[in-house]
Amino acid sequence: QKEVEQDPGPLSVPEGAIVSLNCTYSNSAFQYFMWYRQYSRKGPELLMYTYSSGNKEDGRFTAQVDKSSKYISLFIRDSQPSDSATYLCAPQEGGNEKLTFGTGTRLTIIP
Amino acid sequence: NAGVMQNPRHLVRRRGQEARLRCSPMKGHSHVYWYRQLPEEGLKFMVYLQKENIIDESGMPKERFSAEFPKEGPSILRIQQVVRGDSAAYFCASSPDRQETQYFGPGTRLLVL
Repeated sequence: QKEVEQDPGPLSVPEGAIVSLNCTYSNSAFQYFMWYRQYSRKGPELLMYTYSSGNKEDGRFTAQVDKSSKYISLFIRDSQPSDSATYLCAPQEGGNEKLTFGTGTRLTIIP
Repeated sequence: NAGVMQNPRHLVRRRGQEARLRCSPMKGHSHVYWYRQLPEEGLKFMVYLQKENIIDESGMPKERFSAEFPKEGPSILRIQQVVRGDSAAYFCASSPDRQETQYFGPGTRLLVL
């Protein structure tokens, strides 16, 4: 079993829709939860960072963590064509610097 | 403030040759991480270095791969005697301190013929 599972997609939604991206994980030691966005042929860029269970909002983006079920979500409201990218969840153990990435979900927003 | 820089951006090698990938961290960052992204797979951690020290190399293949981060100059990921399975995108990230946000470079795409 992989430590982090993520549906690779591809996922296509119309512009303006709400997008839900999800990951599950098996490692109970994960304490920090990151979402990275990666445009084609580019490096990942940090989108959201959360520490504990609950929600964190930043503009059109909301990150949600449920440690009891080991479930991580990223919601994108009012999706835009510029949101078309691959989204990677990346949890991290406390005291351990390495990030454990999911395979990424390829998202396309259709104008 | 320039971001993480990696060069070359594309590298073609024949089987058996050596590949050297360079990473210059962001200004003020002394922690460097290397990740590998195989086709249709997520990024996999390889190694974490601080200036002149390897802190965690748990993701490095046991043979042919090595990494360094000298006191002066960029971090180098070196792959000796490359094989076709080494073809991948190699990303470097840097952070100002431990457990801080990791900022990624644009990657080096290695193709082994």
